[in-house]
Amino acid sequence: GAVVSQHPSRVICKSGTSVKIECRSLDFQATTMFWYRQFPKKSLMLMATSNEGSKATYEQGVEKDKFLINHASLTLSTLTVTSAHPEDSSFYICSIKREREQYFGPGTRLTVT
Amino acid sequence: GIQVEQSPPDLILQEGANSTLRCNFSDSVNNLQWFHQNPWGQLINLFYIPSGTKQNGRLSATTVATERYSLLYISSSQTTDSGVYFCAGIKAAGNKLTFGGGTRVLVKP
Repeated sequence: GAVVSQHPSRVICKSGTSVKIECRSLDFQATTMFWYRQFPKKSLMLMATSNEGSKATYEQGVEKDKFLINHASLTLSTLTVTSAHPEDSSFYICSIKREREQYFGPGTRLTVT
Repeated sequence: GIQVEQSPPDLILQEGANSTLRCNFSDSVNNLQWFHQNPWGQLINLFYIPSGTKQNGRLSATTVATERYSLLYISSSQTTDSGVYFCAGIKAAGNKLTFGGGTRVLVKP
């Protein structure tokens, strides 16, 4: 398997501020990491694919200027939600792919007040 | 991209009962996984099963790739089996894992 951590596990921020979420691959060097978003009682939706040393690839409808992704090393990817609004409140989950399976972090619950 | 449909959307079981969850894909997939999302949100890998049958304790899964569906069997269910079960697949030659809507399972004591 693979071990993935996220920090923080939950965060509350005020509208208009920015929040950074970290995703770490603890036992595997991941050239690619994935960021998902999950709304309450809904499924996971892929937001973007994070590539080490290069720009992230965003899914259709995801604003790249709002959700900044940085994959600076083989073990760390960060997602920054800029100028957060209440509608950005959600559960954000990162994932890595090792061999053929994807493994997920524990998620970060973001609440924007 | 592919469409992934799961059924049923909700399932209430009495402890000890058996159940079958289904996942249908709109296109061929070369990667198929089943996950259990626990009440804290953590996705736990259950099976990587693009084809064939696998078993792990009380859980087993079967994928019929030619017919684009997969089944997850839960036997002798326990309250700890409660949560949401997701299947997800990657289209052949693709790289994006697409999730189904999930089956919410509640096992009552």
